[in-house]
Amino acid sequence: GAGVSQTPSNKVTEKGKYVELRCDPISGHTALYWYRQSLGQGPEFLIYFQGTGAADDSGLPNDRFFAVRPEGSVSTLKIQRTERGDSAVYLCASSLTAGVVGSTDTQYFGPGTRLTVL
Amino acid sequence: AQKITQTQPGMFVQEKEAVTLDCTYDTSDPSYGLFWYKQPSSGEMIFLIYQGSYDQQNATEGRYSLNFQKARKSANLVISASQLGDSAMYFCAMRAITGANSKLTFGKGITLSVRP
Repeated sequence: GAGVSQTPSNKVTEKGKYVELRCDPISGHTALYWYRQSLGQGPEFLIYFQGTGAADDSGLPNDRFFAVRPEGSVSTLKIQRTERGDSAVYLCASSLTAGVVGSTDTQYFGPGTRLTVL
Repeated sequence: AQKITQTQPGMFVQEKEAVTLDCTYDTSDPSYGLFWYKQPSSGEMIFLIYQGSYDQQNATEGRYSLNFQKARKSANLVISASQLGDSAMYFCAMRAITGANSKLTFGKGITLSVRP
């Protein structure tokens, strides 16, 4: 079946602009995660959705970052007043379950959106 | 808090040989899961193998096996019979099993290059 998809694959914007990054998870997956990967680093957790609600947003760096998942499927990561330090690859992942005893809750990742802030 | 440490510099292996990629971890969670992902130059993170902290046996998945030593807090990935397509970045990651949040904590990754 189809994997996690993310759009756009690349986004170039100017400092101070607003951007939206979209994630379409694997059909039927209840949990959705956003990570950010800077050059030469491993992905860092941003936010986790269980269904429509943000169950953990402790990884969002500041209030310029916001994410929604209104219907429990597609999610949008929104970044206001972008800064050059926001440049990174933004990865989305989904898992069938989360926190279910006995389940590995394996996360499957999308190809990422490379964001460049000039 | 969880921490993953991957300190090996870029690794090189001859095609068809085996290679071990090191991973050590630290956590206060009593139950946890350990993952390895592969990230080729295309950028997508590909799930390879999973090991639960209470699993009695080391995980295996095709050419991948996990050398899990709980007392040493290490979870090294062994790739047997290396192929040219194995050249990529490899990330070790972990999550707590208790609680509903399955967020992953990643290491910095290791670059593996397979020589023909």
